[in-house]
Order: sequence, then structure tokens, then C-alpha cells
Amino acid sequence: QSVLTQPPSASGTPGQRVTISCSGSSSKIGSDSVNWYQQLPGTGPKLLIYGNNQRPSGVPDRFSGSKSGTSASLTISGLRSEDEGDYYCAAWDDSLHVVFGGGTKLTVL
Amino acid sequence: QVQLVQSGAEVKKPGASVKVSCKASGYTLTIHYMHWVRQAPGQGLEWMGIISPNSGITSYAQKFQGRVTVTRDTSTSTVYMDLKSLKSDDTAVYYCARGIYGAYGFDYWGQGTLVTVSS
Repeated sequence: QSVLTQPPSASGTPGQRVTISCSGSSSKIGSDSVNWYQQLPGTGPKLLIYGNNQRPSGVPDRFSGSKSGTSASLTISGLRSEDEGDYYCAAWDDSLHVVFGGGTKLTVL
Repeated sequence: QVQLVQSGAEVKKPGASVKVSCKASGYTLTIHYMHWVRQAPGQGLEWMGIISPNSGITSYAQKFQGRVTVTRDTSTSTVYMDLKSLKSDDTAVYYCARGIYGAYGFDYWGQGTLVTVSS
């Protein structure tokens, strides 16, 4: 089982703002180590957020990340139908070992 | 452009081994760590291990210690993941993923390789 805990599901209507949480032990959520990945149906994972709140080029600013203590969150603003899929948080430790959250299935109603 | 191209799907019997390759192009292999992540059918992502292509040093998730070996061939810019003593619950899509230089995250992923373990 995952050391990082995510809600199994989340939902929203188009245009809404949705937040997905990720909580874990202090040993797993280091200072700047939280990532978020999007996995659309039938595709591989895609990096959305790294370093807690940094977006790679090409990722819309509708996606934002934050971290406080041993919890992190991904916020999607202006929800779109194409955002429907699975979202995973990940955290790294000092040995560059990685743990993933169990994933959150986002449904756009 | 950066690409990670993995080898094709495999079907193996329980107890056998599988070796999946990941050929990198569009960048210098030795600059970025490479990781392996797997995803069982309908399940989440699971980190398996990491290699420094520059030094060849590896580190593995405790769950896979003794069963997985990650190697690299810098002459062909290819990283390999070898998993032995396969069991049915090793059936999964296996991904290689490039670590971001100087930060935590996987910025490029291979297309995935389905390994099916079945008698």
C-alpha cells in the first residue's frame, strides 16, 4: 500500500476548481520533492508539477501545486472535460527513492 | 527532441526472467538519472529503481531487491531492466522515466512495455 494517501476519486463540473490532496509521512515528503502526474485514459503518465509547485513548459497554468508540512495538493482551475483521468502524487527521499500515492480518479461531470 | 523508446511486449512463464530495454535519444544519457516504474492492470504507479547512467550506480525499492537489475550501455544510450523469478502479479506495464536534472521529477517517459506472466 502507498505511503502517500490520496482520495480515490474526485469530481467537478466544467469551469469549476478541483483540489486533490496527498498526505504522507515526513520521511517521504521532503522539502521540494513532491510531483504530480496526469494519466489520461490509455496513455502513459505526464509530469504536471515538480518541486512542489513548478510547472514544466507546456503545462497550462490551470494546474498548480502546493505543499504544507507533510501534505501536498494539486489544484485544477477552470476544469475541462479533457482533464478527466487519473492523478498521482509522488515524493522522493534523500536516497532518490520514490513513492507514489495510490492515485485519484478525476471525473468531469 | 528527447525520446525514450522501449522494447516490445513480452509473454513469460512464471519463474522466468524478462529484460526490457529503453533507448534514449535527443540528449546525453549520462546527464540524467533513469528510473523504472511499473503499473499493474487497473492499478497505480509503483517505483522500482534508479540508475545513474554516468556511474552505473543503482538503487532499488526494497520490494524488488534481489530480483531486479538495472544496467546501462552508454555506447548505445540504452538502459535495461532485468526482472527475474517472475510471478503472475508481475504482469504490468513497465516504464522507463528520465529524472529531471537538478530537481525531483520524471520529465520524459517511455511508451511502456507490457509484460504478461502466465502459465
